[in-house]
Amino acid sequence: AQSVTQPDIHITVSEGASLELRCNYSYGATPYLFWYVQSPGQGLQLLLKYFSGDTLVQGIKGFEAEFKRSQSSFNLRKPSVHWSDAAEYFCAVYNSGGGADGLTFGKGTHLIIQP
Amino acid sequence: DTGVSQDPRHKITKRGQNVTFRCDPISEHNRLYWYRQTLGQGPEFLTYFQNEAQLEKSRLLSDRFSAERPKGSFSTLEIQRTEQGDSAMYLCASSDREKLFFGSGTQLSVL
Repeated sequence: AQSVTQPDIHITVSEGASLELRCNYSYGATPYLFWYVQSPGQGLQLLLKYFSGDTLVQGIKGFEAEFKRSQSSFNLRKPSVHWSDAAEYFCAVYNSGGGADGLTFGKGTHLIIQP
Repeated sequence: DTGVSQDPRHKITKRGQNVTFRCDPISEHNRLYWYRQTLGQGPEFLTYFQNEAQLEKSRLLSDRFSAERPKGSFSTLEIQRTEQGDSAMYLCASSDREKLFFGSGTQLSVL
């Protein structure tokens, strides 16, 4: 069965510093991978997605992610974080077929920004 | 606003009562999903519609839960005889393919 692991429950980064959030997936075929961000009490906003092609994908708000098939990873990065980036970040893999279309999410990483 | 909308944003109810939530998807999207999210967890899949057909239900969706999508437009999620364990954020999403767009959710508190 497909699964997503986000090893870091919390990450604290100083404002202006670089960020990397880890995501590992388990999926039998070529995965469709996503990163979403959630502010407190809100729904999820799509940051970026990987379907195929270039393994480095660019998203909104200056985020990027790199798909590494050999490591089953899809880590999210940002060169310089802003205080407004403090939120919960979720990695997800899309399940397709068998009537079970939809996303499987990781448990999330809570990002804290220090001034 | 052409995004996914959910109503109500918050619902407080007493244990044993029935509650119903509504989701209005993006109009051109034929797929609609319901997820449940508890504190400190990622969203968990509940059920999925393609147009008006409910194609998949998670084992999380007990017989107290029912979802409908009449005419393939808006959807409702009803929980009968609510329990304290039903307290969670209920998220709706719609898509036309693999990219899901989420609403702001309905936060349910069962007292």
